[in-house]
Amino acid sequence: DTGVSQDPRHKITKRGQNVTFRCDPISEHNRLYWYRQTLGQGPEFLTYFQNEAQLEKSRLLSDRFSAERPKGSFSTLEIQRTEQGDSAMYLCASSRLSTSGRPYEQYFGPGTRLTVT
Amino acid sequence: GNSVTQMEGPVTLSEEAFLTINCTYTATGYPSLFWYVQYPGEGLQLLLKATKADDKGSNKGFEATYRKETTSFHLEKGSVQVSDSAVYFCALMDSSYKLIFGSGTRLLVRP
Repeated sequence: DTGVSQDPRHKITKRGQNVTFRCDPISEHNRLYWYRQTLGQGPEFLTYFQNEAQLEKSRLLSDRFSAERPKGSFSTLEIQRTEQGDSAMYLCASSRLSTSGRPYEQYFGPGTRLTVT
Repeated sequence: GNSVTQMEGPVTLSEEAFLTINCTYTATGYPSLFWYVQYPGEGLQLLLKATKADDKGSNKGFEATYRKETTSFHLEKGSVQVSDSAVYFCALMDSSYKLIFGSGTRLLVRP
């Protein structure tokens, strides 16, 4: 079990640029979640996938954000035309499903810290 | 809507002191409840969980009991160590199985 990995760990970009983050979940985990954490706050849900299907998106996910999970394995989160307010830690988590379809607990990656200057 | 409220930090304790971090929730139904811990420079780690009323989750000397009547899930430890210094997050899992987190409580344990 190698855990959830995220890449890059840190990203500094200028306002208006596009950025893309990658998350590799624990193998065989059907569900993959993205959260955003700003300084001094708890993580906030952005979106989640079950296999390759994106099943829910938060209102926090503006049209500048897009997430994909091709083939139900790794996932990418892209932010277009970044703004300073996008500066945050972006966390990925994964979980497996029970035979009844209920997910077990979520395991988190180390996060990608985005700084928009 | 669903929400989680935690006591504000920082909580500063001496080594071997008793720890309580309060957590209350608002939710429809009876969600699963979790405590996650975030050590400096690291990601979130699951500390313990409880899936139904009166369940007690425990791990590494930490405990929390799911109290339906008070909608609470307070974290306790009988004797804290310096290595327990971290930020602790209480969370509930909503009906679509996403986590709703509290704002976190920073714990600082002094030798």
